[in-house]
Amino acid sequence: AQKITQTQPGMFVQEKEAVTLDCTYDTSDQSYGLFWYKQPSSGEMIFLIYQGSYDEQNATEGRYSLNFQKARKSANLVISASQLGDSAMYFCAMREVYYAGNNRKLIWGLGTSLAVNP
Amino acid sequence: DVKVTQSSRYLVKRTGEKVFLECVQDMDHENMFWYRQDPGLGLRLIYFSYDVKMKEKGDIPEGYSVSREKKERFSLILESASTNQTSMYLCASSLIVGPGSPLHFGNGTRLTVT
Repeated sequence: AQKITQTQPGMFVQEKEAVTLDCTYDTSDQSYGLFWYKQPSSGEMIFLIYQGSYDEQNATEGRYSLNFQKARKSANLVISASQLGDSAMYFCAMREVYYAGNNRKLIWGLGTSLAVNP
Repeated sequence: DVKVTQSSRYLVKRTGEKVFLECVQDMDHENMFWYRQDPGLGLRLIYFSYDVKMKEKGDIPEGYSVSREKKERFSLILESASTNQTSMYLCASSLIVGPGSPLHFGNGTRLTVT
């Protein structure tokens, strides 16, 4: 069964430093997509970055990059130069392209709470 | 930018009441979703819709129904609210369902059933 594991319930980082949030996934499919979302205390889920299973390059979006290691089934989010506004919950999610006829479903991890210290 | 608007940020209802949670998106997205989010359980899909009047059950549809009469609006209905439906409810939409199409979320509705 598909599964997303985020092993770090909480993380702390000093402002301006880089931080890596871990995500491992389990799937038997060869074609899938991986997402990271940010959820500040206000509640809105904000899409950050996407990596396709066939993408050869690691995805990057501004200060966010995704360290994709397909053989290890890991898709870690790297935030460079942390800012106070990065304090939030971060969720990793996966979508398999062909899953039991229901290809619209995202599988979610339980999230990592990141606190950025000044 | 995509705008997904949920009608209420906070809602308090009594057990047994019929509750409507409304969600509107302004980007002509075909797909819309309702999730609930609970501490330790993450996001769980209640229902989704890929077209007007079309709907499919998610992982936890029991106790809920949905309505999509217009493309931009997706309503979640709690037929008879119960205390175990106290939760954060998140609506989302997406343009297409390919592997890379992200979901765009509203701000959420925190529902308390007393």
